[in-house]
Amino acid sequence: SQTIHQWPATLVQPVGSPLSLECTVEGTSNPNLYWYRQAAGRGLQLLFYSVGIGQISSEVPQNLSASRPQDRQFILSSKKLLLSDSGFYLCAWNPDTADYGYTFGSGTRLTVV
Amino acid sequence: SQQGEEDPQALSIQEGENATMNCSYKTSINNLQWYRQNSGRGLVHLILIRSNEREKHSGRLRVTLDTSKKSSSLLITASRAADTASYFCATAETGGSYIPTFGRGTSLIVHP
Repeated sequence: SQTIHQWPATLVQPVGSPLSLECTVEGTSNPNLYWYRQAAGRGLQLLFYSVGIGQISSEVPQNLSASRPQDRQFILSSKKLLLSDSGFYLCAWNPDTADYGYTFGSGTRLTVV
Repeated sequence: SQQGEEDPQALSIQEGENATMNCSYKTSINNLQWYRQNSGRGLVHLILIRSNEREKHSGRLRVTLDTSKKSSSLLITASRAADTASYFCATAETGGSYIPTFGRGTSLIVHP
């Protein structure tokens, strides 16, 4: 069966520090991978998605970047965090085909102080 | 990309009652999905309904889709305290990518 792992669960980082959040998927190959951010009481904002190794699409210009160094690994990074980067970050995957729902990771609560 | 909008934003009911949440969208879709999110957790996929389907069931969940009105509803029958969560709809546009866009959700509280 397929599983998705996302870590860390919580993170408190000072302004200006770097960020690296990692997400891995097991039990499938060539998944579509996604990073979302959720502000308190809000919906999900798509940040990045990837349909293959090294293929990254950015939805929102911002202080973040993403990379996909391996088929089932998706990394969200920042060189210098801003206060506005605080939020709940969710990784998700689905098969590369229509009419399939997402499977989400458990999320990372990032607080920039 | 479009965004589904859930209604109501918040719903408070007693255990055993039914809970109905609605989702409206703006353009033609390939499918519509409903998700549940417990506080501080990731989203869990509940049901996907295709544009050529009108109703779908899964346990105590019933989803309807009316493409002429561009709306969907999620009914939870005989609700339980464990159903307390936020519920999101997500729509995938016709002719677009497979990427659905999410609404802001309905916060459901079921009182024991």
